[in-house]
Amino acid sequence: RKEVEQDPGPFNVPEGATVAFNCTYSNSASQSFFWYRQDCRKEPKLLMSVYSSGNEDGRFTAQLNRASQYISLLIRDSKLSDSATYLCVVNMYGGADGLTFGKGTHLIIQP
Amino acid sequence: SAVISQKPSRDICQRGTSLTIQCQVDSQVTMMFWYRQQPGQSLTLIATANQGSEATYESGFVIDKFPISRPNLTFSTLTVSNMSPEDSSIYLCSVRVAEPNDYNEQFFGPGTRLTVL
Repeated sequence: RKEVEQDPGPFNVPEGATVAFNCTYSNSASQSFFWYRQDCRKEPKLLMSVYSSGNEDGRFTAQLNRASQYISLLIRDSKLSDSATYLCVVNMYGGADGLTFGKGTHLIIQP
Repeated sequence: SAVISQKPSRDICQRGTSLTIQCQVDSQVTMMFWYRQQPGQSLTLIATANQGSEATYESGFVIDKFPISRPNLTFSTLTVSNMSPEDSSIYLCSVRVAEPNDYNEQFFGPGTRLTVL
């Protein structure tokens, strides 16, 4: 079983629509969870940390379900500039360790 | 977050040669890491760069192939040794900036795009 799994897409979504991504992780003891955004030929940039209570930042909402070991990202009122690859990322073993990345979900917002 | 720079930004190298990539941070950080992103793939952790001691390598990566230095809290190097075309990839450093109540967020440098002929 892969450690962090995501639907690679692509998701083709009209501008203004709401889109949701899910991600599952294998290690139930994982400690921290994130969504990163990666634009073509650029480095990943932290979009949101995902807390146990869930969190919201403008049009973006992230949820964590530890019992089912999945993480979600919801984007409301999508913009053309939201087109990117969204990486589900898990810190499985603690702060002294690196991150485990999903393969990413490719999102295309269409005018 | 921190401002992270990498040198070189890209290089084209001949097989059998070695390339050293530098990562510089504008502030002292607790942890530095090196990742690889092969074409069309996501990121894979190579190793944790430990200040003052040997790096900690992930399964499938060895010190002879990817020697790492971290002489202080703001700088690290990764060397890709005896390169082959399979080493063509983007190499990224990342840092963790420890702050009160931090959540182990990591921030990435711009990457070094390596092509091996």
